[in-house]
Amino acid sequence: DAGVIQSPRHEVTEMGQEVTLRCKPISGHDYLFWYRQTMMRGLELLIYFNNNVPIDDSGMPEDRFSAKMPNASFSTLKIQPSEPRDSAVYFCASRQDSRETQYFGPGTRLLVL
Amino acid sequence: LAKTTQPISMDSYEGQEVNITCSHNNIATNDYITWYQQFPSQGPRFIIQGYKTKVTNEVASLFIPADRKSSTLSLPRVSLSDTAVYYCLVGGGSYIPTFGRGTSLIVHP
Repeated sequence: DAGVIQSPRHEVTEMGQEVTLRCKPISGHDYLFWYRQTMMRGLELLIYFNNNVPIDDSGMPEDRFSAKMPNASFSTLKIQPSEPRDSAVYFCASRQDSRETQYFGPGTRLLVL
Repeated sequence: LAKTTQPISMDSYEGQEVNITCSHNNIATNDYITWYQQFPSQGPRFIIQGYKTKVTNEVASLFIPADRKSSTLSLPRVSLSDTAVYYCLVGGGSYIPTFGRGTSLIVHP
């Protein structure tokens, strides 16, 4: 398996623009997680899905952030409008049901100017 | 919810054994203890998991005392490439554990 795939790997955009991050989980994994990592706040869980259904989005910073999982092999995290404070590395991870091991993607490094 | 406490940073030298201890006083009966490693510019990756006593794999050992209120990750004979952030997580089943800030290990020549 190729592991968790994320795109793009790097994104530079201007404040106010819409940003869409994409993730393909490992085939057969029932859970998908979106994390954000910054120096100040460490690794934060934003939202996670189980069988394509959002279970807990309490970590989503505000209404500018939204996430979808239309099928078992694809998820998006959208920021609209983006702000400089959204600059961070965004990780997607997946895991098999009832197992604790999460497998992380390489991350998307976002810079909002 | 089980909360973990681990040192913010540690320093070591090549060839030494490094032990990182994590406290989890409120661990539940069905919780597992999992450690992840994160290199710069990469996502965290699983290194070891245990429930009680001792677990060993090709990368590390995990020591868990009988009361399970703490655990110790042991890295034998570290090298410069072991410089990373190490996270201790406690959870089980549907509970999603939080990563926290982890322990930043720096290995010096």
